This record gives sequence, C-alpha cells and structure tokens, in this order.
Amino acid sequence: DSGVTQTPKHLITATGQRVTLRCSPRSGDLSVYWYQQSLDQGLQFLIQYYNGEERAKGNILERFSAQQFPDLHSELNLSSLELGDSALYFCASSVLGTGGDEQYFGPGTRLTVT
Amino acid sequence: GQNIDQPTEMTATEGAIVQINCTYQTSGFNGLFWYQQHAAEAPTFLSYNVLDGLEEKGRFSSFLSRSKGYSYLLLKELQMKDSASYLCAVRAHLNTGFQKLVFGTGTRLLVSP
Repeated sequence: DSGVTQTPKHLITATGQRVTLRCSPRSGDLSVYWYQQSLDQGLQFLIQYYNGEERAKGNILERFSAQQFPDLHSELNLSSLELGDSALYFCASSVLGTGGDEQYFGPGTRLTVT
Repeated sequence: GQNIDQPTEMTATEGAIVQINCTYQTSGFNGLFWYQQHAAEAPTFLSYNVLDGLEEKGRFSSFLSRSKGYSYLLLKELQMKDSASYLCAVRAHLNTGFQKLVFGTGTRLLVSP
C-alpha cells in the first residue's frame, strides 16, 4: 500500500459524458501527478500539481482538466468522453515539486467508455 | 523530446537470472528509474540511477551508462511472483526549470516453473 488513494476504482460511462476522478496523496507529499495508461501504450504523463499550483503539463487533451485543492487532494476531470479515453488512470505523489523524485502510485481508476 | 526503448516481452525460468535492457534518447537527462507493475496494479519503485555504474538491492540490480544512453535491470534467483511488467523511466529537465518522468512502454516478464 503506497498511501495514495484513488476513487472510484472502476467507472463505466457513455461517450459524450463527463467524469471526475479523485486522488489523495500520501501524507506529507505536496506533488500530485496524473498518468493515463492504455493497453497498447505505456504510462503517459498528463499533468503535475505542487501545493495547489500547476507545475508541468504533458500530453493532456483540452477536454481534460485537473486541479489540486488546499487539502492537497486532486481531481482529474474528463469531459466529452470518447471511446479512446478508456484506460487506467493513475495518480502518483511525491514530496518535492521538482518532478524528479520517487513517485508513489495509487491503485488507479479503470475508466471504460461505451 | 524523449525516446525510450525496451523489449516488449521476455520469458525466463524460476531460479534463473534475467537482464532487461532499456535504451533512451533524451534531452536534459537527469536520472533513470525502474518500476515494477503487476497486471492492472500500481507501479512500484524498484531502483534509481543517476551516475554511471551498478546499484544493487537484494535480488535486483540496475546499471546505467549515460554516455551510451543505456540501462539494464538484472533480476537474480527469479521467483514466480516476479512475473510482471518492468518499466524504465527517464527523468528529464524541462525548460521551465522543473522535471518530469517519461516512461517506456514496459517489458512483460513471464517466469515459468
């Protein structure tokens, strides 16, 4: 158990819908990262927040957005969902904000878009 | 940009030794991580190298050659529970002053009795 929690564990929704994924980092970690993992691809970095502020952006679509709240939990919002958005979404946390230290991953949310 | 290559799949026998290679091309390189990921589970940290050489941690060792853009993960005395995907991840400086981890697609290792 890494100490990072994610909810929900599974999510099934239809195309065009909007969903929100939630992540709580390990106690003491200020950075939160979001990753997408599809069957045929590796972990794709989406976005990083540090202490409430966006720090780095990866391959995040404009239909996706995220935020980190004062209590350091983070939410990833996915809208206008497409079939290709079906994937495992992982949240990770780390102590530092530089983006280069060891990251601890949550159990993931499996999103299925039908 | 970054480019990371790993074999897609490898097989080995219980008790044997296996070496998983990773080659990378990246600007702003500042370290390499190896993670283990069991099917549909969270990746877990295995090792980290930033200087050339070998880092040993129990049955697992990781090697880095920065000049060659090459790393390997060595697993000794293989156990059935080692069947998993092994992800190579490169840490790279961004022009914003921060860093990010870029993951390879992973090597699926199957350990048979």
